[in-house]
Amino acid sequence: GEDVEQSLFLSVREGDSSVINCTYTDSSSTYLYWYKQEPGAGLQLLTYIFSNMDMKQDQRLTVLLNKKDKHLSLRIADTQTGDSAIYFCALQLGLDSSYKLIFGSGTRLLVRP
Amino acid sequence: DTGVSQNPRHKITKRGQNVTFRCDPISEHNRLYWYRQTLGQGPEFLTYFQNEAQLEKSRLLSDRFSAERPKGSFSTLEIQRTEQGDSAMYLCASSQEQTQYFGPGTRLLVL
Repeated sequence: GEDVEQSLFLSVREGDSSVINCTYTDSSSTYLYWYKQEPGAGLQLLTYIFSNMDMKQDQRLTVLLNKKDKHLSLRIADTQTGDSAIYFCALQLGLDSSYKLIFGSGTRLLVRP
Repeated sequence: DTGVSQNPRHKITKRGQNVTFRCDPISEHNRLYWYRQTLGQGPEFLTYFQNEAQLEKSRLLSDRFSAERPKGSFSTLEIQRTEQGDSAMYLCASSQEQTQYFGPGTRLLVL
């Protein structure tokens, strides 16, 4: 079945860039997402990328997609303490799978002042 | 603009009791999803509705779980005879096209 892997933890200093990585096994996904979850809260959509794109930039966020290596990354520029949270990578399956999302286990980002 | 809402936000129950959660999707969204998230894990798909039709159920959804979306608007998720292993965050998401927007979740603790 589909599998999504993320590193568990990342610590950066405030003002530095953060890069969160994700690898996956399913190659048929059309959309790939990044969600942010703060303690005790639901998931906030950050950004997504269509599978025929290599890169997408949205203000401080840059998503890179390497389909050959099945690798997705999220770069956060000028990381702030408010960026401390858990970040989930998710793949979207197609119509025959109800467009469901398959999530990684999340990367906990800690931003040190 | 109101997002996805879920009630209650927290529920504590004793093992063997029944619980029901409610999800109100974004108003024009015809697709509704339920996911379950246990501690330290990402959400896992439970079930999917398109309008009032329940089109897919995960193997995670045992016979004790039932979900409805009677008028194609709000949805309920009921767990009968709760077990300690049901303790988790239950998340609802809705979409009009491909992007799913999540509610704040209902955190269930079964004692």
